[in-house]
Amino acid sequence: DAGITQSPRHKVTETGTPVTLRCHQTENHRYMYWYRQDPGHGLRLIHYSYGVKDTDKGEVSDGYSVSRSKTEDFLLTLESATSSQTSVYFCAISAGTQNTEAFFGQGTRLTVV
Amino acid sequence: DAKTTQPTSMDCAEGRAANLPCNHSTISGNEYVYWYRQIHSQGPQYIIHGLKNNETNEMASLIITEDRKSSTLILPHATLRDTAVYYCIVRQTNAGGTSYGKLTFGQGTILTVHP
Repeated sequence: DAGITQSPRHKVTETGTPVTLRCHQTENHRYMYWYRQDPGHGLRLIHYSYGVKDTDKGEVSDGYSVSRSKTEDFLLTLESATSSQTSVYFCAISAGTQNTEAFFGQGTRLTVV
Repeated sequence: DAKTTQPTSMDCAEGRAANLPCNHSTISGNEYVYWYRQIHSQGPQYIIHGLKNNETNEMASLIITEDRKSSTLILPHATLRDTAVYYCIVRQTNAGGTSYGKLTFGQGTILTVHP
């Protein structure tokens, strides 16, 4: 299995609180992605990174920010959590783009109450 | 982005081949077709990918039509553990010189393998 660790694996938080999810990789891959998965929507891209300090928005980026200060870590922050952000969050990594597979972490289940 | 169309669900008997179709009629010439699967609530698992030639690995075979508008994932001897959601994805190409490689997931095909 690719060396991807997501933390925490489960979290319950209150509405309005900030939350940070961490994705850590040991593969030295350039590209990292954050997705969320909700019933009826499949996996949707939140943010992605194409290098240290190089990030961009995905299709559902509102309410989320990211940071990548070093190759191995990609942080996803919910500035003020809302119930609509209750979801399962997946991190993915990839060495390249077209002809290189991307590997996914095991997910973080976040519940906002 | 090239869109994909897959059947919502399929059934297969254990030990038989499972053939999962995918249409991607708007695929560009340099876009790859990727297949992933997701078992229960686990992270998506990479299966195989290809550009225009047929591909085979230890998990599956990928057959891409000559016009590249459709493909079929073949699990040669399905087992109960192959029950999962299977996603066919066309991976984005470079944009403005910056390669993103984003994977855009659709709803996938729910494959159920029966004893």
